[in-house]
Amino acid sequence: KAGVTQTPRYLIKTRGQQVTLSCSPISGHRSVSWYQQTPGQGLQFLFEYFSETQRNKGNFPGRFSGRQFSNSRSEMNVSTLELGDSALYLCASSLEAGWEQFFGPGTRLTVL
Amino acid sequence: DQQVKQNSPSLSVQEGRISILNCDYTNSMFDYFLWYKKYPAEGPTFLISISSIKDKNEDGRFTVFLNKSAKHLSLHIVPSQPGDSAVYFCVGGSTLGRLYFGRGTQLTVWP
Repeated sequence: KAGVTQTPRYLIKTRGQQVTLSCSPISGHRSVSWYQQTPGQGLQFLFEYFSETQRNKGNFPGRFSGRQFSNSRSEMNVSTLELGDSALYLCASSLEAGWEQFFGPGTRLTVL
Repeated sequence: DQQVKQNSPSLSVQEGRISILNCDYTNSMFDYFLWYKKYPAEGPTFLISISSIKDKNEDGRFTVFLNKSAKHLSLHIVPSQPGDSAVYFCVGGSTLGRLYFGRGTQLTVWP
């Protein structure tokens, strides 16, 4: 069974631009969560989608948004990029919300 | 609001010795706890879990202990191996809820 895939793996953007990251969960998994990882901050929870509905949301500004499609694939969008948005963005999928999550390799976003 | 805290950002242990990674939490509603391991350039991978109704779970070289009264859990790795060098995340969760990750502890196992 294929694992969680994320595209692109690396991305360089400039301040003010917007970016869309994509995540394909493990087949059959309906829950997709997004995390931001920065040095010293661990994994900061962004949001969780289940059956196309956002069910949980972390403490990030409205510039961070996401959605989930009927095939459970998910996208995350960041608008008006700031230097502080530079981070590794991780996507994780699970059969149901919570419990064991399977992570993708992440997308490394650099904002210049 | 850091509901799961890993107060030691790093730990260095000699190969063959025991590694003990500690974690404290504030949310008494967590139903279970997980430990994830992360190597550079890879996503975290699940290592071991424990239900909140248990006080110990063992899987090979890895044992997790839970002390609910102290809101504390620990991961023991015996014996430690160089391949165990990674960042370890302590995670709390509740059924149908989100997961709460600690900031991680970098374990280095030296020969």
